[in-house]
Amino acid sequence: EAQVTQNPRYLITVTGKKLTVTCSQNMNHEYMSWYRQDPGLGLRQIYYSMNVEVTDKGDVPEGYKVSRKEKRNFPLILESPSPNQTSLYFCASTPKRGRDNEQFFGPGTRLTVL
Amino acid sequence: KQEVTQIPAALSVPEGENLVLNCSFTDSAIYNLQWFRQDPGKGLTSLLLIQSSQREQTSGRLNASLDKSSGRSTLYIAASQPGDSATYLCAVTYRGGSEKLVFGKGTKLTVNP
Repeated sequence: EAQVTQNPRYLITVTGKKLTVTCSQNMNHEYMSWYRQDPGLGLRQIYYSMNVEVTDKGDVPEGYKVSRKEKRNFPLILESPSPNQTSLYFCASTPKRGRDNEQFFGPGTRLTVL
Repeated sequence: KQEVTQIPAALSVPEGENLVLNCSFTDSAIYNLQWFRQDPGKGLTSLLLIQSSQREQTSGRLNASLDKSSGRSTLYIAASQPGDSATYLCAVTYRGGSEKLVFGKGTKLTVNP
């Protein structure tokens, strides 16, 4: 089944404890991105990647890192999480940048930073 | 600034009613527009994708239209059911830059039995 998977689905952590949220897609998509969703602010892009080893900042990249060593995986890294990073996170992928392609979303990761 | 606006923010209708959700965007240079459904605390379910060259798309009881010149899209839901209750999000892929999805804040739909 074609899908985008994220792990973990739920995470409660404490300020400053490094964490990684994994994202994997099995559709051979080139373009992947991370969004966060907050009440009243909607969904905003954090980082995106156009292909392996090519990543760039989205609208709200502060406090986050990403890597794209393989085409299928695009982990989101929080080196020192803070309470303002409590949010619902979504990973997305699409076949190619700059095409009329649908974006596919993972199931979301609900992160709480205490 | 590239923005997407959805009006109304919330809508409550009786079961069986036909309804229209509205989405407007600020720049006609888009690749496509997607409508999503989101249940509380859950992920995004893609409903319809309209490419920039298309005027509408249909899936079951759903019909989405796109008018690039006016910067508007509508999602028409026929014969609404309580199971249609959810938040509906409109998202646009603008040309250029990161070509990210720019989301509206959604319309929360409640269909009352």
